Amino acid sequence: SYVLTQPPSVSVAPGQTARITCGGNNIGTKSVHWYQQKPGQAPVLVVYDDTARPSGIPERFSGSNSGNTATLTISRVEAGDEADFYCQVWDNSSDHPVFGGGTKLTVL
Amino acid sequence: EVQLVESGGVLVKPGGSLRLSCAVSGFTFSSYTMNWVRQAPGKGLEWVSSISSSSSYINYADSMKGRFTISRDNAKNSLYLQMNSLRAEDTAVYYCARGLESGYDGGGEYFDYWGQGTLVTVSS
Repeated sequence: SYVLTQPPSVSVAPGQTARITCGGNNIGTKSVHWYQQKPGQAPVLVVYDDTARPSGIPERFSGSNSGNTATLTISRVEAGDEADFYCQVWDNSSDHPVFGGGTKLTVL
Repeated sequence: EVQLVESGGVLVKPGGSLRLSCAVSGFTFSSYTMNWVRQAPGKGLEWVSSISSSSSYINYADSMKGRFTISRDNAKNSLYLQMNSLRAEDTAVYYCARGLESGYDGGGEYFDYWGQGTLVTVSS
């Protein structure tokens, strides 16, 4: 089945820009979605269809997708952004969704 | 306001069975595909199963096929997961999540609303 690879952790200082990657074979041909999960809480959709933001998600969250890498970018990082982030695509060969392993964002 | 509320998670012995429920409100339940996604303690998200709006299409992750059964009752705005032959590795928080079709052809689905989850512990 399709494999998504995320770095286990990313650290960034407040006010800086965090970039969380999601690697997959020709992922640029797929639609990528991103979820934020804070400790003890359910996941929240923050980006869908590579670049779109659901209502209520700050513009600081943006996505891109090309080649073998999709990226979630968080600008002007705040302490409250600290969370685990997961990418997700649809695996057409198995006809079901696939999640990346998750990336823990630490705000220094 | 969209709400998804899971229930039914308990401590169960290996080989046992359990039925999870997800009560939904705030949207037209019968119009959406619904899913179960689980998360083992300290681990990542794992999709479990999906069911189409009319129950005509059902899909399972390979490790759950033959043991888990997803169903829904559109009259009761409820989603269910019958779990049999439970194993220690099934220990997880189980979330129900609403599926939404990607805007891209062949893009499949993503999950725009999630419940708070219910904890299933399989242990002797």
